[in-house]
Amino acid sequence: GAVVSQHPSWVICKSGTSVKIECRSLDFQATTMFWYRQFPKQSLMLMATSNEGSKATYEQGVEKDKFLINHASLTLSTLTVTSAHPEDSSFYICSATRAGESYEQYFGPGTRLTVT
Amino acid sequence: LAKTTQPISMDSYEGQEVNITCSHNNIATNDYITWYQQFPSQGPRFIIQGYKTKVTNEVASLFIPADRKSSTLSLPRVSLSDTAVYYCLVGPAAGNKLTFGGGTRVLVKP
Repeated sequence: GAVVSQHPSWVICKSGTSVKIECRSLDFQATTMFWYRQFPKQSLMLMATSNEGSKATYEQGVEKDKFLINHASLTLSTLTVTSAHPEDSSFYICSATRAGESYEQYFGPGTRLTVT
Repeated sequence: LAKTTQPISMDSYEGQEVNITCSHNNIATNDYITWYQQFPSQGPRFIIQGYKTKVTNEVASLFIPADRKSSTLSLPRVSLSDTAVYYCLVGPAAGNKLTFGGGTRVLVKP
């Protein structure tokens, strides 16, 4: 149990376009979902925390108008990278915590975004 | 959230025990220690969590001294498939926000 999926697993887009990444908890209800980004050979950096039905909380330095997060249900959160630029190319990973359990985060497989 | 310090990398050989020590001098009373494993181009995977003394599961053991200012993840008899980055994180169990440090890149050689 506790499986988190992401779609797509990889995406290539042109500079200036927007890209949506989905994060789903497949077999549990996720009270909270998190979005991270990871550059090659670097650690994960938390971008934002989202709770179902409320606005996401962004980490310092993360532009909320550029990285739109929607958490419409207890099993789905989406991250939209708006007006993407090559420097947005990265590995985006989501995670979720299960209702009634808060010590472990279940991570998705990640989405590789390449902006050309 | 307490800052953690880990070795950048470690090499080992198949069948050996790998011990990774993490320093967390500013750990708070309500903080737990959690270790995650990450393979290239994959999301991290929870390995083990502990508060004090020793915790063991089917994958690893976690040793935490009385002062809790450090912890050691022990991977018994590693195989090539244990080559990964291992992250030590410290924070309240009830707090969900995770701050990843640099991690330790473990390379298991044949």
